Amino acid sequence: SAVISQKPSRDICQRGTSLTIQCQVDSQVTMMFWYRQQPGQSLTLIATANQGSEATYESGFVIDKFPISRPNLTFSTLTVSNMSPEDSSIYLCSVLTRSWNTEAFFGQGTRLTVV
Amino acid sequence: AQRVTQPEKLLSVFKGAPVELKCNYSYSGSPELFWYVQYSRQRLQLLLRHISRESIKGFTADLNKGETSFHLKKPFAQEEDSAMYYCALSGGPSSGTYKYIFGTGTRLKVLA
Repeated sequence: SAVISQKPSRDICQRGTSLTIQCQVDSQVTMMFWYRQQPGQSLTLIATANQGSEATYESGFVIDKFPISRPNLTFSTLTVSNMSPEDSSIYLCSVLTRSWNTEAFFGQGTRLTVV
Repeated sequence: AQRVTQPEKLLSVFKGAPVELKCNYSYSGSPELFWYVQYSRQRLQLLLRHISRESIKGFTADLNKGETSFHLKKPFAQEEDSAMYYCALSGGPSSGTYKYIFGTGTRLKVLA
């Protein structure tokens, strides 16, 4: 299993500013992902965080808006840049611990409100 | 298109009644299917997966490839089963695609 610490748990931000969300895992993991859950909707994958290289973004998400870092096997950050009210969502970090084990573990989530 | 569909946003049942949460999927290939649950104020966690074919907390789910369904069932609902349930799929190791596709979720309320 994996224990994921995600910070901050919530924040209220002004439009036009940026917020960086941190995801720390208690053990080395093979894969790390960032999801967004907009109000009343499902979890949507933003990107796969790749260690030491650029993240792999899903359709509709771009690096300029959601820069992601993963400097090592236990830590990643997601930045939500130049925020607008439409970015108000829950952002979730998720990991897979082994390539043969497809069970995903999730952080508690970051509830972001943009005003 | 790859998709997971959960037709019910809210399902209310009385304690002791059977419960079935529906899940249908669309995927080109052989995906792995999962049910994740989120209890109040807790993080999302795995409930069960089709490859393990086990019963967790009295819940079972059978993968029906012909109907592309993976419905979650429990014969006798308990109040502590009240939670948000998400059906999800992953391409898994065979496809090299590990990312998940989630359904929109079903909120289960078990009434006393």
